[in-house]
Amino acid sequence: DIQMTQSPSSLSASVGDRVTITCRASQTISRFLNWYQQKPGKAPKLLIYAASSLQSGVPSRFSGSGSGTDFTLTISSLQPEDFATYYCQQSYSRTFGQGTKVEIK
Amino acid sequence: QVQLVQSGAEVMKPGSSVKVSCKASGDTFSSYAISWVRQAPGQGLEWMGGIIPIFGTTNYAQKFQGRVTITTDESTSTAYMELSSLRSDDTAVYYCARDEISAEYNWFDPWGQGTLVTVSS
Repeated sequence: DIQMTQSPSSLSASVGDRVTITCRASQTISRFLNWYQQKPGKAPKLLIYAASSLQSGVPSRFSGSGSGTDFTLTISSLQPEDFATYYCQQSYSRTFGQGTKVEIK
Repeated sequence: QVQLVQSGAEVMKPGSSVKVSCKASGDTFSSYAISWVRQAPGQGLEWMGGIIPIFGTTNYAQKFQGRVTITTDESTSTAYMELSSLRSDDTAVYYCARDEISAEYNWFDPWGQGTLVTVSS
C-alpha cells in the first residue's frame, strides 16, 4: 500500500500568514495527488486535484505543487475561514494523509 | 451539478450489520464512480472502497475486505455501503463521494453530508 505522510500534524498561524503543508508518498505517484479542506462537523471539500489544478470556486490563494513523491499545499495569505484541517490523498489507491490542523495563533 | 444525500444516523449493536445509503441527483448516475470514506471521532479520513455503477465493479480497501459490501440501485440512483460484524471501533461518520474517474486523474467531489454510525451495546 502507498503511505502518505503529511507534515506538520498541526500548526498555528495568523491571518495574513503564508502557510505551507507538505505531503510525501511512500512511492512515486506522478501527479495523482489531491488536497481537501475539512471544517468541524462538515464533509471534506476538494481544493486541488492532479497536484496543482485548482477546483472551480476555490480561492486563488490556495495552490498546489509537486510530482513524484513530494507535494506541497500553499495558502498565500491565510484568511479567517481557512482555519481547518487539510488532507492530502493519493488517487492511485485512494489513501489519505493523516491531516494537518491549521489553528489560530 | 451532482448532489449526494445520505441516510440518517444509526445506532447499532456489536456484531450486527449496518447499511448506509447515498442518493445522487443532478447527473447521470452511471457516468461516475462512488467511493465510501469513514472518519472515526477525532481521527482522519479512511477510504473503504468504491463502485463503478455502469460496470458494477467494486474495489475494497484490504482492511475492509470480507466485511464491507458496496452496491448500487440505478433505478433510484442510490449507492449503498453495508458493513458487517460491527465493533465499537467502527463508530464513525461514513461519507459517500463522487469518484471522478473519467479524466486522466481522479478525485472525490462532491461528498455526501455524512452518516454517523454508533456501535454500542
